[in-house]
Amino acid sequence: DAGVIQSPRHEVTEMGQEVTLRCKPISGHDYLFWYRQTMMRGLELLIYFNNNVPIDDSGMPEDRFSAKMPNASFSTLKIQPSEPRDSAVYFCASSPGRISYNEQFFGPGTRLTVL
Amino acid sequence: GDSVTQMEGPVTLSEEAFLTINCTYTATGYPSLFWYVQYPGEGLQLLLKATKADDKGSNKGFEATYRKETTSFHLEKGSVQVSDSAVYFCAPGQGSQGNLIFGKGTKLSVKP
Repeated sequence: DAGVIQSPRHEVTEMGQEVTLRCKPISGHDYLFWYRQTMMRGLELLIYFNNNVPIDDSGMPEDRFSAKMPNASFSTLKIQPSEPRDSAVYFCASSPGRISYNEQFFGPGTRLTVL
Repeated sequence: GDSVTQMEGPVTLSEEAFLTINCTYTATGYPSLFWYVQYPGEGLQLLLKATKADDKGSNKGFEATYRKETTSFHLEKGSVQVSDSAVYFCAPGQGSQGNLIFGKGTKLSVKP
């Protein structure tokens, strides 16, 4: 089992550029979560999907952020345009769902730096 | 709404000291309860869990007991090691909604 895969692991970009983060969940998992972690705000849930359908996006900071899950094995988080305050580590996690009592499996994260 | 309150850090201990990190929660029903650990530069990984009242989760010398009457899930370890230095997150499940409510995290530093 390869675990949750995220790419890229590090991303450095300039303000105003579009950034796309990618996630491949564990096969068979029904839920996918996107989190953001910063020193100031800690770990924040941005959005989560169940069976590829967005369930709760109330944590998405603003319209510059968007997330998609076109199929069960792939999700993207896009920031357009990016700003320095978006600099953070972004984690993707997946869960088998209720049969696992909500246990989540995290990817290694993408460290985003916006200059 | 559902929430979790976790002991604020940072916590600094000497090697072989006893560790307690307090966690209390408010939730509808009886959620599953989790402790996650994040080592420097890594993602979160499950440390232990308990799925019903009075269950004790344990792993790597860490323990936590699901206390329904006090809605608590305190993390304990009898003798910490330098390698336990990390950030610890308490996280109750949010029932049928499928997600977890993460605490703010407690940073533990263990000195030799």
